Amino acid sequence: QKEVEQNSGPLSVPEGAIASLNCTYSDRGSQSFFWYRQYSGKSPELIMFIYSNGDKEDGRFTAQLNKASQYVSLLIRDSQPSDSATYLCAVRASGGSYIPTFGRGTSLIVHP
Amino acid sequence: ETGVTQTPRHLVMGMTNKKSLKCEQHLGHNAMYWYKQSAKKPLELMFVYNFKEQTENNSVPSRFSPECPNSSHLFLHLHTLQPEDSALYLCASSQELAGGRDTQYFGPGTRLTVL
Repeated sequence: QKEVEQNSGPLSVPEGAIASLNCTYSDRGSQSFFWYRQYSGKSPELIMFIYSNGDKEDGRFTAQLNKASQYVSLLIRDSQPSDSATYLCAVRASGGSYIPTFGRGTSLIVHP
Repeated sequence: ETGVTQTPRHLVMGMTNKKSLKCEQHLGHNAMYWYKQSAKKPLELMFVYNFKEQTENNSVPSRFSPECPNSSHLFLHLHTLQPEDSALYLCASSQELAGGRDTQYFGPGTRLTVL
């Protein structure tokens, strides 16, 4: 059973701070990692994809992947109230059906 | 603006009704997915089609029936649903089922309420 674990939160941070969201996964053969943002009542929107160990930066977002420790993180710098949403982590294994497994998501609240 | 559209956006139906959800993708993708998202639960994969062939049926009750006439269109036919089937139904597409960098893109969803 492939598992993707996220703390459901809510994670509350003040405006301008760094929000750190974490995701751990059980399948050591996992190959691709995705972060989606989902606003209440809306569908998930892809914000980051990471494939290799290390960091990947896109604007205020940084994804950090550590395959040895089996976790992937999402950092949001200079958090804004508009970043308040649920962040879903998805992990795809290197073999099998290639369909990503989603975590439950972490609710982030950025307060002014 | 999403390249995956879903209709209707909202649907209220009785337990004896028959209705269909429609999904269309304009991204040239070959894989399409149905997910169910209930409150406080992770996304539940329902069905997967790759090049119009169904590759996954994740133990979904027979009151849900998928149809994929071509790589751009996906339907979910509903009949004799139960109140616990009320949820957000999401369609997604990706280039094709393969390892590496294949990425899913989601439609806006259909909010279904079963009375």
